[in-house]
Amino acid sequence: DAGITQSPRHKVTETGTPVTLRCHQTENHRYMYWYRQDPGHGLRLIHYSYGVKDTDKGEVSDGYSVSRSKTEDFLLTLESATSSQTSVYFCAIKALGNSPLHFGNGTRLTVT
Amino acid sequence: GIQVEQSPPDLILQEGANSTLRCNFSDSVNNLQWFHQNPWGQLINLFYIPSGTKQNGRLSATTVATERYSLLYISSSQTTDSGVYFCAVETSGSRLTFGEGTQLTVNP
Repeated sequence: DAGITQSPRHKVTETGTPVTLRCHQTENHRYMYWYRQDPGHGLRLIHYSYGVKDTDKGEVSDGYSVSRSKTEDFLLTLESATSSQTSVYFCAIKALGNSPLHFGNGTRLTVT
Repeated sequence: GIQVEQSPPDLILQEGANSTLRCNFSDSVNNLQWFHQNPWGQLINLFYIPSGTKQNGRLSATTVATERYSLLYISSSQTTDSGVYFCAVETSGSRLTFGEGTQLTVNP
């Protein structure tokens, strides 16, 4: 299995609080991604990174920010959580060039 | 952005049956991948297939990039094949866009 660890695995938080999800990889892959999965929408890209300190927005980036200060860590922050951000969040990694994408086990976030 | 459509959205089979899942995409892509999400939520990469045909046991996939579609074949289905199958296409900048998936249920 690809070495990807997401933390926490589950989190319940209140509306308006900040939340940070962490993705850690041991594969030294260049690309890292954050997706959210909701019923009826499949997997939608939030943000991705193509290198340390190099990030770009995905299709559902509003309300989210990311940081990548080290190759192995990619953080997703919800500055002020809303109920619409209740979802399952997946981190994924990919090596440079033509290579497969591998996912972490996901974080289930509930915003009450 | 690129559109990715999967069909059928839902599929119910008896164990031992064969099936074909389809993925259509609206623009040229750098590559295409197929994933299986098991009932526990884990996403497993099945195929990395920008073009041509690949086989892995009872599963095979074919991508015809010039006609903008890919097919995933499952032969002699088993209950463990149940779950959601996603295709994802990669465009410039290594962005990957997913279809909404096919929910497969294999009954014993």
